[in-house]
Amino acid sequence: AQSVSQHNHHVILSEAASLELGCNYSYGGTVNLFWYVQYPGQHLQLLLKYFSGDPLVKGIKGFEAEFIKSKFSFNLRKPSVQWSDTAEYFCAVYWGFQKLVFGTGTRLLVSP
Amino acid sequence: GAGVSQTPSNKVTEKGKYVELRCDPISGHTALYWYRQSLGQGPEFLIYFQGTGAADDSGLPNDRFFAVRPEGSVSTLKIQRTERGDSAVYLCASSPEGPANYGYTFGSGTRLTVV
Repeated sequence: AQSVSQHNHHVILSEAASLELGCNYSYGGTVNLFWYVQYPGQHLQLLLKYFSGDPLVKGIKGFEAEFIKSKFSFNLRKPSVQWSDTAEYFCAVYWGFQKLVFGTGTRLLVSP
Repeated sequence: GAGVSQTPSNKVTEKGKYVELRCDPISGHTALYWYRQSLGQGPEFLIYFQGTGAADDSGLPNDRFFAVRPEGSVSTLKIQRTERGDSAVYLCASSPEGPANYGYTFGSGTRLTVV
């Protein structure tokens, strides 16, 4: 069965630190890849997405993600985090079965 | 509406009772999804509607769960004989067609607590 793994369940960073959140998925083929963010008290929002083309995708708020097909990975990065980035981050994969499969999420806490 | 609307935002019910959770998707979105998110977990797929029909209900955990979308817009998730293990946040999402090119737009969820 398709599965998505997010290895870091909790990450604590200081402001201005660099961020990288891991996401791996279970098997290949053609995939569409997504990162969602859930700020405290808010609903899930799309951060960025990859369909094809340049494997380095830029999203909102300075986030980017890199698709590495050979590693089945789609890691999320940000060069310098802010306190307002405190949130839970979910990776999701579309394998063509009309639904997204989500990882378990990574809770990021940025201390000022 | 401008976004996906879910009501109620919170629901507390006693074990064994019946509950209905409502989702009003973005106007014109033909695809509608229900997910369930338990504490510490990511959203887990329950059911997918394309128009009025349930195109994939493989995620419904058992026959106590049922969902409808009779006019291809608003959807209702129905849970019979609720159990404490049903406590979770139930998320609804919609998309213009499938999620391949658009992902989902999520509602704020209904937090169901079974006591």
